[in-house]
Amino acid sequence: EDQVTQSPEALRLQEGESSSLNCSYTVSGLRGLFWYRQDPGKGPEFLFTLYSAGEEKEKERLKATLTKKESFLHITAPKPEDSATYLCAVARGAQKLVFGQGTRLTINP
Amino acid sequence: NAGVTQTPKFRVLKTGQSMTLLCAQDMNHEYMYWYRQDPGMGLRLIHYSVGEGTTAKGEVPDGYNVSRLKKQNFLLGLESAAPSQTSVYFCASSYVQVTDTQYFGPGTRLTVL
Repeated sequence: EDQVTQSPEALRLQEGESSSLNCSYTVSGLRGLFWYRQDPGKGPEFLFTLYSAGEEKEKERLKATLTKKESFLHITAPKPEDSATYLCAVARGAQKLVFGQGTRLTINP
Repeated sequence: NAGVTQTPKFRVLKTGQSMTLLCAQDMNHEYMYWYRQDPGMGLRLIHYSVGEGTTAKGEVPDGYNVSRLKKQNFLLGLESAAPSQTSVYFCASSYVQVTDTQYFGPGTRLTVL
């Protein structure tokens, strides 16, 4: 069965303290892995798509990497405005995404 | 360019009542999706559409119906609401393939008493 597991469930950091969020997956025939950011009371906002192992993408303080079994979202020198829930999803089959449960990130000033 | 919009933003229903959630997109996307988000469960796909006039079941379709009469609109219906359908509902759309980015609406918070 296709599964996406994110860890940790919640992470609290001090401003400037770098860390990584993990997304591990088991899916046959991965067609893409997506990272989204979700603020409270809002819809998910697209961050990155990764298609193959070894691929990396960056945006401001965020960097996403992909291996054959997992993806990491690295956050470098985070700021309070980076506080959000980060969602990982994998593309399975022809039309569907399977989402993980998310990691709730809090950055304290 | 409004992107993906959802109506209403909030709704409270009594058990057994019916309602329709409306999703509209102005990006000329072919694919549209309805998800529900519950604490600890992540986003789960209810129904989706790969084009005007088509619909298909997702992971959790029971108790819901959908229609895609116009390319830009995707309706989600609850014929007889149950407390288990209390959730936040999100609509999303994408160009064509599942590997294309899905853009999400702001969500509808539904409470069934």
